[in-house]
Amino acid sequence: RKEVEQDPGPFNVPEGATVAFNCTYSNSASQSFFWYRQDCRKEPKLLMSVYSSGNEDGRFTAQLNRASQYISLLIRDSKLSDSATYLCALPNSGNTPLVFGKGTRLSVIA
Amino acid sequence: DTEVTQTPKHLVMGMTNKKSLKCEQHMGHRAMYWYKQKAKKPPELMFVYSYEKLSINESVPSRFSPECPNSSLLNLHLHALQPEDSALYLCASSQEQGTLTDTQYFGPGTRLTVL
Repeated sequence: RKEVEQDPGPFNVPEGATVAFNCTYSNSASQSFFWYRQDCRKEPKLLMSVYSSGNEDGRFTAQLNRASQYISLLIRDSKLSDSATYLCALPNSGNTPLVFGKGTRLSVIA
Repeated sequence: DTEVTQTPKHLVMGMTNKKSLKCEQHMGHRAMYWYKQKAKKPPELMFVYSYEKLSINESVPSRFSPECPNSSLLNLHLHALQPEDSALYLCASSQEQGTLTDTQYFGPGTRLTVL
């Protein structure tokens, strides 16, 4: 299994839909997880950090499944402005910096 | 405030030029990072500075030379680059590398084109 794997998409969903995508990881000792959002030709922006079972911020929910070694991102009531690439990231091992997944592209359609 | 600034926003250079990219943060972060990102790919780590000392060099060619003049500044000196080095160069910073809750914040990047 690769260190961090994501379904590249694209996920094309209508406005108002609920969409979820997963990020699987190989290091079972991972303790922290991050979702970043990246718009075209812009920098990654932190969306959510997860250190325990999950986290919720408005329409966005991240859930961690340690047994199956994946973290999911759920977006409810999708907006056009949610269209972006969503990058999953976690520390490689020990105190090494982040390893990024290849990202999942989301397009929300009117 | 989680702002990391980078200059310039865009840079076009020839293969014989010498140029520098600059990054600045005033959040008191003690770790700073350089990443390279090609289109439709995730960011790739190049260098990490922790407490102003180079702690990680991901086998980056010597035509890229990082420098950390102080805890707020990070430079990337470029010399004799190749066209394949054209990419978005991202700087990031975090409170302290290696802690459980350490979170990286990215600058807007410098879009580099090598002719």
